[in-house]
Amino acid sequence: DAGVIQSPRHEVTEMGQEVTLRCKPISGHNSLFWYRQTMMRGLELLIYFNNNVPIDDSGMPEDRFSAKMPNASFSTLKIQPSEPRDSAVYFCASTIGTSGGARAKNIQYFGAGTRLSVL
Amino acid sequence: AQRVTQPEKLLSVFKGAPVELKCNYSYSGSPELFWYVQYSRQRLQLLLRHISRESIKGFTADLNKGETSFHLKKPFAQEEDSAMYYCAPNQAGTALIFGKGTTLSVSS
Repeated sequence: DAGVIQSPRHEVTEMGQEVTLRCKPISGHNSLFWYRQTMMRGLELLIYFNNNVPIDDSGMPEDRFSAKMPNASFSTLKIQPSEPRDSAVYFCASTIGTSGGARAKNIQYFGAGTRLSVL
Repeated sequence: AQRVTQPEKLLSVFKGAPVELKCNYSYSGSPELFWYVQYSRQRLQLLLRHISRESIKGFTADLNKGETSFHLKKPFAQEEDSAMYYCAPNQAGTALIFGKGTTLSVSS
């Protein structure tokens, strides 16, 4: 398995533009997480899904952010309109969740991240 | 509230020196504790978890439930240990709660 795949790796956009980040979790994993990493705040959870259903979106900064998981193999994080303070590295992670064996569950596998710069 | 505290933002040591990266947590229930590591230009990856009681790359971490701590230790640091380290408690099916991370810099 290629692991968690995120695209694009880098995104540079202008303030006000729509940005869509994509994530393909590891096949068979049923939980997916979106995190944001900044120097000031470290790693923060934005939202996570279990079995494609959003469970906790309390970390989503504001209405400009939205996330979807239309099926088990794909998720998007959208920012509309984008602002300079959204500049960060966005990570997606997946885990086999509660259905896995004792050793497998709970381990989260991260994608390489998308570095977003909003000018 | 769920919270993780990593008090040191940066820890600089010389090669061969002992290393201890501190982690204290506040978490309801009985979480599992993890250390994740991010090497330069690489993705975040699991370093070790407390239930496995393994030593990974010479690192160990002991869960102290009384002090709610899970400090990461290595007796002799190597230059290749330089990275960002994150402590995170977690329960299955929920998200990791990360500390702010500690950057470890090992120089010769």
